[in-house]
Amino acid sequence: KAGVTQTPRYLIKTRGQQVTLSCSPISGHRSVSWYQQTPGQGLQFLFEYFSETQRNKGNFPGRFSGRQFSNSRSEMNVSTLELGDSALYLCASGSDRTNTEAFFGQGTRLTVV
Amino acid sequence: AQRVTQPEKLLSVFKGAPVELKCNYSYSGSPELFWYVQYSRQRLQLLLRHISRESIKGFTADLNKGETSFHLKKPFAQEEDSAMYYCALLTYNQGGKLIFGQGTELSVKP
Repeated sequence: KAGVTQTPRYLIKTRGQQVTLSCSPISGHRSVSWYQQTPGQGLQFLFEYFSETQRNKGNFPGRFSGRQFSNSRSEMNVSTLELGDSALYLCASGSDRTNTEAFFGQGTRLTVV
Repeated sequence: AQRVTQPEKLLSVFKGAPVELKCNYSYSGSPELFWYVQYSRQRLQLLLRHISRESIKGFTADLNKGETSFHLKKPFAQEEDSAMYYCALLTYNQGGKLIFGQGTELSVKP
């Protein structure tokens, strides 16, 4: 079974721009979660989708949004990028409604300059 | 408040020595706790979860509700155990959400 795939692996954007990151979960998994990882804040939960519905949202500004498609693939979007958005963005997929095991992708490294 | 604390940023031991990575949590409900590991240049992956009470790669972790702890232990560390270790608490609000500690880097010296 292929693992969780995130694209692109690396991105460099300018302040004020917007960015879209993509995540393909493990085949059959219907839950997709997104996390931001930074040296200062560690791993922080962004949001979680299950069957195209956002079930859970972390404490991030509205500039961070996401969606999930009928094939369970998910995208997250960050608008009006700030320098502080530079981070590794991780996607995790889960097979059940309660996410008792999360399978992580390699992440997308976003650098905002 | 829901929180996971890993007090040590770096833990350095010699090969063959015992290892204990500390994790404390704060959660009002019934906790479900995990240890995730990230080896160099690899993705974050599940090491073990408290409900399965299993030993993976020689590691064990016992949930102590009285002390609100879930420390990870291994009696004899190996060099290949060198990695970042994250303790995580699963919370529920319709869906599951993992709250991670800051992580502990384990360095096992030869």
